[in-house]
Amino acid sequence: SQQGEEDPQALSIQEGENATMNCSYKTSINNLQWYRQNSGRGLVHLILIRSNEREKHSGRLRVTLDTSKKSSSLLITASRAADTASYFCATDAENSGGSNYKLTFGKGTLLTVNP
Amino acid sequence: NAGVMQNPRHLVRRRGQEARLRCSPMKGHSHVYWYRQLPEEGLKFMVYLQKENIIDESGMPKERFSAEFPKEGPSILRIQQVVRGDSAAYFCASSPARSASYNEQFFGPGTRLTVL
Repeated sequence: SQQGEEDPQALSIQEGENATMNCSYKTSINNLQWYRQNSGRGLVHLILIRSNEREKHSGRLRVTLDTSKKSSSLLITASRAADTASYFCATDAENSGGSNYKLTFGKGTLLTVNP
Repeated sequence: NAGVMQNPRHLVRRRGQEARLRCSPMKGHSHVYWYRQLPEEGLKFMVYLQKENIIDESGMPKERFSAEFPKEGPSILRIQQVVRGDSAAYFCASSPARSASYNEQFFGPGTRLTVL
């Protein structure tokens, strides 16, 4: 499996339901970020969680990080049709220079929220 | 404050031609990153540049690809003698000063390159 691999690959839910997406990674990280990409568009940054954090909230988003399992989850509560998009996790690992910049993305989860 | 700008948004080239992709970072950002996204894939890091310097090009193919970020003007990703396998979406991201523990990158809308 790849660094920053999301599952499921596709998720279809009804409006108002919660959506949970998972991300697993292999190497030690400094931060893990979640991005959203609408079809054919650029990436929108959603939330960043640091390796020493376990949970973070932003509006209807809740992100958890379990460094012992090398995994993260993104929960979107009370989903809306406008949440339909691909969701990617991205990790940045500390390089030998002590700084991190090379984001490694998974293949993403395609979320479809049906009205 | 305009976000990261990329142009063109769509680019069609025939095999053997050159492709030039431009990226203007957000105001105040001096770090630029290029990523490539193949169909049904996540983004893959290509190159990291600061003004007039290539910091890390480990993700960039050794042949035909080059990148620059001059003192004035946008960053350019140049692909010479394009092949069909170069067809992809190319995203540019920028960030302010690099931090040892935090690195939020702001992405542009991407350039979709199609090689016929």
